[in-house]
Amino acid sequence: KAGVTQTPRYLIKTRGQQVTLSCSPISGHRSVSWYQQTPGQGLQFLFEYFSETQRNKGNFPGRFSGRQFSNSRSEMNVSTLELGDSALYLCASSLGDSFYEQYFGPGTRLTVT
Amino acid sequence: AQSVTQLDSQVPVFEEAPVELRCNYSSSVSVYLFWYVQYPNQGLQLLLKYLSGSTLVKGINGFEAEFNKSQTSFHLRKPSVHISDTAEYFCAVSGPGGFKTIFGAGTRLFVKA
Repeated sequence: KAGVTQTPRYLIKTRGQQVTLSCSPISGHRSVSWYQQTPGQGLQFLFEYFSETQRNKGNFPGRFSGRQFSNSRSEMNVSTLELGDSALYLCASSLGDSFYEQYFGPGTRLTVT
Repeated sequence: AQSVTQLDSQVPVFEEAPVELRCNYSSSVSVYLFWYVQYPNQGLQLLLKYLSGSTLVKGINGFEAEFNKSQTSFHLRKPSVHISDTAEYFCAVSGPGGFKTIFGAGTRLFVKA
């Protein structure tokens, strides 16, 4: 079974631009979560989608948004990029039941200059 | 609210020595507990999980963890580490009914020859 894939793996953007990251979950998984990982803040939960609906949300500004498609693939968008948005963005998929055992993708490394 | 505290940010240890990575959690409801490992430039991989039942949980790569409800701890142990165990380890907690997964700050394990 193929794992979680994320595209692109690396991205360089300038301040003020917007970016869209993509995540394809493991086949059969209906839940996709997004995390931001930085050296200073560690792993921070952005949001979780289940069956195309945002089910949980972290404490990030509205510039961070996401969506999930009917095939469970998910995208996250960051508008008006700031230098502090430079991070590794991780996507994780799970079956969506109450155990929430997650399978992580390799991440997208975003650098904002 | 749930929270996770990993008591050591870095743990240096010699090869073939035992290691314990400490994790404490707080939650007002029943929780599920996880340990994940992250190798450089990769996503997170599940090492083991506690859902219910036996408090001693065995995982991959020779790791095990013990759930202690009275001390609200979930420490990770390995009797003999290898150079290849050098990585960052994350303790995480989630709960049923839509709780999001909360990760600790991580413990960097450095195995020396």
